[in-house]
Amino acid sequence: SQTIHQWPATLVQPVGSPLSLECTVEGTSNPNLYWYRQAAGRGLQLLFYSVGIGQISSEVPQNLSASRPQDRQFILSSKKLLLSDSGFYLCAWSSGWEPQHFGDGTRLSIL
Amino acid sequence: AQTVTQSQPEMSVQEAETVTLSCTYDTSESDYYLFWYKQPPSRQMILVIRQEAYKQQNATENRFSVNFQKAAKSFSLKISDSQLGDAAMYFCAYRSTYSGGGADGLTFGKGTHLIIQP
Repeated sequence: SQTIHQWPATLVQPVGSPLSLECTVEGTSNPNLYWYRQAAGRGLQLLFYSVGIGQISSEVPQNLSASRPQDRQFILSSKKLLLSDSGFYLCAWSSGWEPQHFGDGTRLSIL
Repeated sequence: AQTVTQSQPEMSVQEAETVTLSCTYDTSESDYYLFWYKQPPSRQMILVIRQEAYKQQNATENRFSVNFQKAAKSFSLKISDSQLGDAAMYFCAYRSTYSGGGADGLTFGKGTHLIIQP
């Protein structure tokens, strides 16, 4: 069966520091991959999605970036974090027209 | 761009009773998918039910069913025989078919906090 792993679960970072969140999927090949952010008390906002290695689509202009160095690996990065980057980040995958399946999320706090 | 609106920030229901959560959406597309996701305090997003826009029949999954009104752009979730484990945030979500192949991301509403009274 397919599983999705996302880490770390919790992260506390100072303003201006870099960020790297990682997501991997097992049990499937060539998945569609997604990064979402959930601000406090809000719904999820799509940040990036990828249909293949090296193919990244950005939905929201910001100081975050995403990369897909391997088929089942999706990384969310930032060179310099802002206070407004705080939130709950969720990775998801899907295959074809099947629904998206989500990881357990990363709670990011910026100090 | 599509938008999804959940007009009920919070709903409360007695255990074993039925509750309906509302969702409306705005789109100019004729073919799309709609979903309800549940987010318990653990914050994991769990798929509850999905509906393909081209299907007139309302989707049902055990105690969960939807009332899909395409012309009205309405997609409500009915939970029958509510249980304590149903307490969670519920999000309505829309997925376009524009990009093809199912790669489109989801557009979410702001959620409804469902409280189950014992």
